[in-house]
Amino acid sequence: QKEVEQDPGPLSVPEGAIVSLNCTYSNSAFQYFMWYRQYSRKGPELLMYTYSSGNKEDGRFTAQVDKSSKYISLFIRDSQPSDSATYLCAMMLGGNEKLTFGTGTRLTIIP
Amino acid sequence: ETGVTQSPTHLIKTRGQQVTLRCSSQSGHNTVSWYQQALGQGPQFIFQYYREEENGRGNFPPRFSGLQFPNYSSELNVNALELDDSALYLCASSGAGNTEAFFGQGTRLTVV
Repeated sequence: QKEVEQDPGPLSVPEGAIVSLNCTYSNSAFQYFMWYRQYSRKGPELLMYTYSSGNKEDGRFTAQVDKSSKYISLFIRDSQPSDSATYLCAMMLGGNEKLTFGTGTRLTIIP
Repeated sequence: ETGVTQSPTHLIKTRGQQVTLRCSSQSGHNTVSWYQQALGQGPQFIFQYYREEENGRGNFPPRFSGLQFPNYSSELNVNALELDDSALYLCASSGAGNTEAFFGQGTRLTVV
């Protein structure tokens, strides 16, 4: 069993829809949770960063962490074609340690 | 732009050869981590360098080695290349007391 599980998709939604992306994890010691966006043949770009449980909002993006369920989510509101990319969840045990990634979910927003 | 730069962007090598990949970290960052990303997979941690010392290593064989220099730039060396080493190699930098890691654009290595 992988430490971090993420549905690889692909996921296709119409422009303007709300997108929900999720990851589950097995190691309850994870403290830091991130979402990265990766365009084809590019490096991952940090989107959202959360410490411990709770919600964090940044523009059209909302990250949620539920440590009791070992479940994290990323919501994208008013999705745009430019949001089409692979979304990677990542977790860290402590500050400045290695990142453990999910497989990534490939998302396509249809105009 | 993250300020993390990697070179070269693409590379083709023959099985058994050796390769060196380079990374310049973001200004003010003293920690560099290297990841391998196979096609369709998430990045896998190779190792991390903090102030020129290895500070953690993933499940990669010893033929994967690295260096960090006084200016905090870094190299990843891979000896005796195998076909399965074909992947996107990513460098990430982070600063002391700052847990956010920023990635470069990656080096795509193809082993034939």
